[in-house]
Amino acid sequence: SQQGEEDPQALSIQEGENATMNCSYKTSINNLQWYRQNSGRGLVHLILIRSNEREKHSGRLRVTLDTSKKSSSLLITASRAADTASYFCATDNSGGSNYKLTFGKGTLLTVNP
Amino acid sequence: ETGVTQTPRHLVMGMTNKKSLKCEQHLGHNAMYWYKQSAKKPLELMFVYSLEERVENNSVPSRFSPECPNSSHLFLHLHTLQPEDSALYLCASSQDRASGRARRFFGPGTRLTVL
Repeated sequence: SQQGEEDPQALSIQEGENATMNCSYKTSINNLQWYRQNSGRGLVHLILIRSNEREKHSGRLRVTLDTSKKSSSLLITASRAADTASYFCATDNSGGSNYKLTFGKGTLLTVNP
Repeated sequence: ETGVTQTPRHLVMGMTNKKSLKCEQHLGHNAMYWYKQSAKKPLELMFVYSLEERVENNSVPSRFSPECPNSSHLFLHLHTLQPEDSALYLCASSQDRASGRARRFFGPGTRLTVL
């Protein structure tokens, strides 16, 4: 199976609520990235967290990384209808020697107004 | 939108047609990538160019042929495709040399339908 797997596959919340998405992976990583994709469009980079970091913030986004559990979470606080999108985690487990950034299947987040 | 553009945005082609997808990045990056996104499947890496040299061909069928004439442009030439090749084709770029560590900047994609 692929390196990064997001959970849940789909999440529906009300505007103003927080949304939490999880990503699990199998092998050691150098970094983990989160991307957002609006329907039928390209992916947009959100946050990169390195293997020696435990938490990063960017505006309403908070990413945590637990390398002992091989998992990461993306928290979106005070969600808005515009946050409706698919969210993907991507892992670099290459040691920097190849080019792959392995993406999961994504979590579809729906924020209802 | 990012500084990566793709044309056309939508393409419908028959199995015997030949067409090309174009990608252009305006970010001064040195690496470019082609990805295929099919429904309910993870993003699949197809080709990687680093400093205009192809560095990875991820077991892609020969009916897909990439071309990178310079660091700003990337093409994907298509011929005798199959219906299962219908997907969203995404181009991306990254700064410096191609690397798994690098943040990807994606274009909006070309929605391809093969009849």
